[in-house]
Amino acid sequence: DQQVKQNSPSLSVQEGRISILNCDYTNSMFDYFLWYKKYPAEGPTFLISISSIKDKNEDGRFTVFLNKSAKHLSLHIVPSQPGDSAVYFCAARPGGTSYGKLTFGQGTILTVHP
Amino acid sequence: DTAVSQTPKYLVTQMGNDKSIKCEQNLGHDTMYWYKQDSKKFLKIMFSYNNKELIINETVPNRFSPKSPDKAHLNLHINSLELGDSAVYFCASSSRRGYGYTFGSGTRLTVV
Repeated sequence: DQQVKQNSPSLSVQEGRISILNCDYTNSMFDYFLWYKKYPAEGPTFLISISSIKDKNEDGRFTVFLNKSAKHLSLHIVPSQPGDSAVYFCAARPGGTSYGKLTFGQGTILTVHP
Repeated sequence: DTAVSQTPKYLVTQMGNDKSIKCEQNLGHDTMYWYKQDSKKFLKIMFSYNNKELIINETVPNRFSPKSPDKAHLNLHINSLELGDSAVYFCASSSRRGYGYTFGSGTRLTVV
């Protein structure tokens, strides 16, 4: 049972345009959400996160939106750059004592064309 | 100066062998993890240690045994390797509350 889902395996956008990556979750116990970026042959690197008490968090070109009622979050990258081409993973974490247990989606491959 | 380092990066071995993957972090974190990325690209948690104590143990065959000699190290030993164990294994570390989650670069294990 996949509790975090990224239904788009891939996304292709033009440089300078907006990239929108989507993520859905099913577990109501998740209270903290993260996005990771992964290049080939490297480990995932943290990009941005959001707590369930917020609906938006912004960091430079990256903005994460959280819709708790829909159990949906999205990552917006504006403007997209070729260096953003990577696999993007959505992850979620429950509250309570299992702080460290991240559940990941299966990733979306983003390709930004010059 | 790598924050979370894993060795080896690549490991090719025959079925039935026993192998270990080592992980070290220099971030001062007190919690470390092992994740497995399978052929479908899902990243799934296997184990978590906090200050050398096992706190998360997902449904993993008991051929997999983590060992944490101190809070900066978490090694993964795998006995009697099977073809299905072929995957990329990632080590990670964080604070106890899960902040600062940092991954290593992964170990690609291929069982032939």
